[in-house]
Amino acid sequence: DAGVIQSPRHEVTEMGQEVTLRCKPISGHNSLFWYRQTMMRGLELLIYFNNNVPIDDSGMPEDRFSAKMPNASFSTLKIQPSEPRDSAVYFCASSFTVAGKTQYFGPGTRLLVL
Amino acid sequence: GENVEQHPSTLSVQEGDSAVIKCTYSDSASNYFPWYKQELGKGPQLIIDIRSNVGEKKDQRIAVTLNKTAKHFSLHITETQPEDSAVYFCAASMGNTNAGKSTFGDGTTLTVKP
Repeated sequence: DAGVIQSPRHEVTEMGQEVTLRCKPISGHNSLFWYRQTMMRGLELLIYFNNNVPIDDSGMPEDRFSAKMPNASFSTLKIQPSEPRDSAVYFCASSFTVAGKTQYFGPGTRLLVL
Repeated sequence: GENVEQHPSTLSVQEGDSAVIKCTYSDSASNYFPWYKQELGKGPQLIIDIRSNVGEKKDQRIAVTLNKTAKHFSLHITETQPEDSAVYFCAASMGNTNAGKSTFGDGTTLTVKP
């Protein structure tokens, strides 16, 4: 299996622009997680889905952040408008909850907002 | 909700020595405890896990112990090598009803000196 795929790997944008991060989970997995990682705050869970339905979005920092999972093989995390403090590495992870709770992480998207 | 505390935040050992990282959790309903290793520029990857019906698990140089009564679990790395240098995260997962959500510790940066 190719593992969790994230795109883009790197994104540099200017403050106020819209940013869309993409994730393709491992085929057959039924849960998907979006995390943000910074030196100051560590690894933060933003939102997670189960069977394409958002379960808990309490970690989403502001209304500027939104996430969708239109089908089992694709999810997006959107920031609109972006701000410099959104600069971080964003990880997507997936798991198959019936077999266990191991999460498989993608390589991350490194976002820099100028 | 679940709270996971991880210690120490940084650990430096000489090659060949052992390293121990400890975590405590708060919710007695947690029943799955994975450990992840994150190398520079990559996403966290599972290295070992333990379930609540097991007290200890070993995989070559890595072992994990779990004390359910005290609500703590530990990662033990023996005969450390420079390639063990990374950030290690512990996590706890609550029961079977939360779609596989895990609560992560803040991470331990392990440095193995040659």
